[in-house]
Amino acid sequence: SQQGEEDPQALSIQEGENATMNCSYKTSINNLQWYRQNSGRGLVHLILIRSNEREKHSGRLRVTLDTSKKSSSLLITASRAADTASYFCAPINFGNEKLTFGTGTRLTIIP
Amino acid sequence: NAGVMQNPRHLVRRRGQEARLRCSPMKGHSHVYWYRQLPEEGLKFMVYLQKENIIDESGMPKERFSAEFPKEGPSILRIQQVVRGDSAAYFCASSRPGLAGEQFFGPGTRLTVL
Repeated sequence: SQQGEEDPQALSIQEGENATMNCSYKTSINNLQWYRQNSGRGLVHLILIRSNEREKHSGRLRVTLDTSKKSSSLLITASRAADTASYFCAPINFGNEKLTFGTGTRLTIIP
Repeated sequence: NAGVMQNPRHLVRRRGQEARLRCSPMKGHSHVYWYRQLPEEGLKFMVYLQKENIIDESGMPKERFSAEFPKEGPSILRIQQVVRGDSAAYFCASSRPGLAGEQFFGPGTRLTVL
């Protein structure tokens, strides 16, 4: 699968604020996956959004997908210190099962 | 339902030794993927396996690295004659058949080569 590019590379916000990070990709996709990685840990699956979906929610997380702009965004509302982590997107093309990751967005929540 | 399990979590080897990393996929998952992460970088794909078959090894270094996923038991990533540049975190992921995009990751094995 193709690589997603996360933006910004780093983001620092106050606890309680909302955090938005973006992902862009180059060619059409079937699905797009968002992951979180805490320092020194494995990736945690957050939300998978399919190409025919525009928005998906899970708790404080909201993911949007705009296939015409080849971009996705991840919004974390009411941020908490525990949200401090790196966030990665992974565009998915059926038939090409390997995921290709960028350098992610490093989110820091300031207490 | 246990998640993806990897062991050991930390592995220290001297240059020239062999490293064996193990991955047990989630229950019901028959597809396994190995990724490597160098410090301050994203994960890089290494190999994709199904039971007894290597499907895609395009990310594997040509020498010293091998992977298997036998009919019984965990998947093994083997690194022979390790060098300092092999020091990294190695992550395993698994998925169900037909849902390759929904990969679930293990906690990783951190390999340090002295």
